[in-house]
Amino acid sequence: AQSVSQHNHHVILSEAASLELGCNYSYGGTVNLFWYVQYPGQHLQLLLKYFSGDPLVKGIKGFEAEFIKSKFSFNLRKPSVQWSDTAEYFCAVNPPSGGYNKLIFGAGTRLAVHP
Amino acid sequence: GAGVSQSPRYKVAKRGQDVALRCDPISGHVSLFWYQQALGQGPEFLTYFQNEAQLDKSGLPSDRFFAERPEGSVSTLKIQRTQQEDSAVYLCASSLIAQGRANTGELFFGEGSRLTVL
Repeated sequence: AQSVSQHNHHVILSEAASLELGCNYSYGGTVNLFWYVQYPGQHLQLLLKYFSGDPLVKGIKGFEAEFIKSKFSFNLRKPSVQWSDTAEYFCAVNPPSGGYNKLIFGAGTRLAVHP
Repeated sequence: GAGVSQSPRYKVAKRGQDVALRCDPISGHVSLFWYQQALGQGPEFLTYFQNEAQLDKSGLPSDRFFAERPEGSVSTLKIQRTQQEDSAVYLCASSLIAQGRANTGELFFGEGSRLTVL
């Protein structure tokens, strides 16, 4: 079945550690890719997006993601996390089926950063 | 406020009861989406409106679910004869532009309506 997979459901890191969250998708064709973040008690908000061009995209707060087409992956990275990065992170794919009308989300990864 | 507003924030319903959830999108936003988020899961697409037209309702889980956006702004998601499996957070999101390959816009989400069916 077509899906978006996030490999880690829970990640615990110390401040200054590096972060990489995995995301794989199984949709064919040209897709748009997103990472959304939900801080505690807040609504979902866009972290970064990829439509075309340079497969390494930079988002807010020092986050970046790399699109690897051959691996159907869009992993999120940050070289040095902060306590304020504690949040839930969702990878999302906008597939061509249905005219790019919908975002398909992964199950999310809960990140806890300890001081 | 300037964001997407949803009401009620919390709703407890008895099994079999009808519920209505309201979404006020950001003014002028063309696209409006409803998502369902069960505990521990990511949001799942329910339906999409472009202005008042419901262009995609493929995610609605049954005919007990109905959404409308009659004037192209406020939207209501109605669930008839609620069941326990309907318990979830219902998220509304809006986007300034119509959706398409080259112009998928950033979605602005509301804080959600948490529905608990007893």
